[in-house]
Amino acid sequence: GQQVMQIPQYQHVQEGEDFTTYCNSSTTLSNIQWYKQRPGGHPVFLIQLVKSGEVKKQKRLTFQFGEAKKNSSLHITATQTTDVGTYFCAYPFPGSARQLTFGSGTQLTVLP
Amino acid sequence: DGGITQSPKYLFRKEGQNVTLSCEQNLNHDAMYWYRQDPGQGLRLIYYSQIVNDFQKGDIAEGYSVSREKKESFPLTVTSAQKNPTAFYLCATQDGTINSPLHFGNGTRLTVT
Repeated sequence: GQQVMQIPQYQHVQEGEDFTTYCNSSTTLSNIQWYKQRPGGHPVFLIQLVKSGEVKKQKRLTFQFGEAKKNSSLHITATQTTDVGTYFCAYPFPGSARQLTFGSGTQLTVLP
Repeated sequence: DGGITQSPKYLFRKEGQNVTLSCEQNLNHDAMYWYRQDPGQGLRLIYYSQIVNDFQKGDIAEGYSVSREKKESFPLTVTSAQKNPTAFYLCATQDGTINSPLHFGNGTRLTVT
């Protein structure tokens, strides 16, 4: 069956350092979404990637979808304390266009 | 997200009691979802509904029940059969577009002792 692993589980960085989280799937994904959850908050949608090799940028955030559509990454350049939170990838459950499965998340701590 | 109301924010219950969590939306979205989140973990799908009077089990439906009598409302009942009910419960909605993003409520933190 489909298996998606999100790594790392935790990441501590000094403010100003870069950060990357990865989602790696054993099967091809039709699309992938990324969400951010601040401590004590709820997940908030960041972006969706659909095309093979797609790269999208939002200010200091860069999202990539691999050529084989099995891997995706979220990269933050020069982290700030406001980037603190847990970042999740989410992907369609096999055979379902609506049911989303969430990765286990990467919890980012930014040290001032 | 504005437009999705989960109440209450915190809920305390004694073991053996059923409890119903409320989720109301005014976004006119067709689909609604319930996820459970345990500390330091990801979100696991409990139930979802794509239209009124229809719903499907997610990955961890045992010990939970739902209803969808109105488009705006998707209450979740945590029954006494749920062995580990203490968790953060998140309701989400999704519009009719395929692969559209989820919009989440602020969540209800349930503690059962």
